[in-house]
Amino acid sequence: EADIYQTPRYLVIGTGKKITLECSQTMGHDKMYWYQQDPGMELHLIHYSYGVNSTEKGDLSSESTVSRIRTEHFPLTLESARPSHTSQYLCASTDRGHGYTFGSGTRLTVV
Amino acid sequence: AQSVTQLGSHVSVSEGALVLLRCNYSSSVPPYLFWYVQYPNQGLQLLLKYTTGATLVKGINGFEAEFKKSETSFHLTKPSAHMSDAAEYFCAVSLYSGAGSYQLTFGKGTKLSVIP
Repeated sequence: EADIYQTPRYLVIGTGKKITLECSQTMGHDKMYWYQQDPGMELHLIHYSYGVNSTEKGDLSSESTVSRIRTEHFPLTLESARPSHTSQYLCASTDRGHGYTFGSGTRLTVV
Repeated sequence: AQSVTQLGSHVSVSEGALVLLRCNYSSSVPPYLFWYVQYPNQGLQLLLKYTTGATLVKGINGFEAEFKKSETSFHLTKPSAHMSDAAEYFCAVSLYSGAGSYQLTFGKGTKLSVIP
């Protein structure tokens, strides 16, 4: 039973559209993360947050933005989607970092 | 700096055979180590972790891993592969990054195929 939820699971949109990928967790974790993963490839950290009103960019440069207004919610936004944004986006959370809990991911296709 | 190297991007084993997925890490301090499994179109699920204490760690689905400090390794094993073990496996290292927080670094993953 998942305690971290990502919606939508699959999304196909046209170029130039604004989209928001949702991530919510019910575990009260302070630390949340967004990873980008191309099919069969490694995970790249694109954003993370250590608490409310705290956001940082990860190792991989991304045109997306994030916000952390509530502890349980960490949405990721693309202002203008492009085909190069096609990928899987994984959200994760942890309390102290001794193992992350991952959501099921959002598979985004931009056409 | 820390890094994680998984030897072999793709491993194939026969059903019932031993599974061995290799992971080496580089770290200047004792790390926390993890193995995650990812099934197609899913997120990552924690298989097992090493933090402190016993160096042989048992996880879910019959997997285990042994932390060998002298070899800087954390290889994942399972005595007998099952068809349902076919998935992508990621090794990860967690180190303290300050302010009470840890940062997780993943290897590139190993895709396990199980041949009937």
